[in-house]
Amino acid sequence: EVQLVESGGGLVQPGKSRRLSCAASGFTFDDHAMHWVRQAPGKGLEWISGISWNSDNIDYADSVKGRFTISRDNARNSLYLQMNSLRTEDTAFYYCAKDKYVTGTTGLLENWGPGTLVTVSS
Amino acid sequence: EMVMTQSPATLSVSPGERATLSCRASQHISTNLAWYQQRPGQAPRLLIYGASTRATGIPARFSGSGSGTDFTLTISSLQSEDFATYYCQQYNDWPPNPFGGGTRVEIK
Repeated sequence: EVQLVESGGGLVQPGKSRRLSCAASGFTFDDHAMHWVRQAPGKGLEWISGISWNSDNIDYADSVKGRFTISRDNARNSLYLQMNSLRTEDTAFYYCAKDKYVTGTTGLLENWGPGTLVTVSS
Repeated sequence: EMVMTQSPATLSVSPGERATLSCRASQHISTNLAWYQQRPGQAPRLLIYGASTRATGIPARFSGSGSGTDFTLTISSLQSEDFATYYCQQYNDWPPNPFGGGTRVEIK
């Protein structure tokens, strides 16, 4: 069974940094691209970043470009999101999600973690 | 930039009735369209991909149709667990992968 579990959320002050992690199990992690999607409380879904299986292809939504960095460690079956210069509008649930297809990067999100809440407030 | 537009924003339906949700892409995306269901307090889950293929474990009462720019999700007979918010998403061009704004299906 595929399992994705995010961690690292919590309360952080504006301008500070936070690192999220996603532990993956139940599938061959280095076969699949991975993504981060966020959802502000009471709002819709926003894709924010994706990384190919071998980290060769990485991209970000404009809203986080230059502030957030996605990375992965295939040896540890883990995905990360380094968030710098956090703003109040970054307050959201952050989900990691697995791309459905092997080796391709499509953004079709077959499995999701339960999410972790990041609150940016002074 | 690709924009996904869903309608209506809220749909009131009685249990056992049919629900029809719409999604429009601002550019042609062939059938590279997915639908996700999000129940309150839960993570989203994949329902439909390829515009019409049900994901693993999804009941047959969920069906998708469309191609190009206009897509439909139909729930043939609403069950209590189907009252949720539904999002469409294009994956024809990555990145990015915008979602629609969502349709909330509520009990009438």
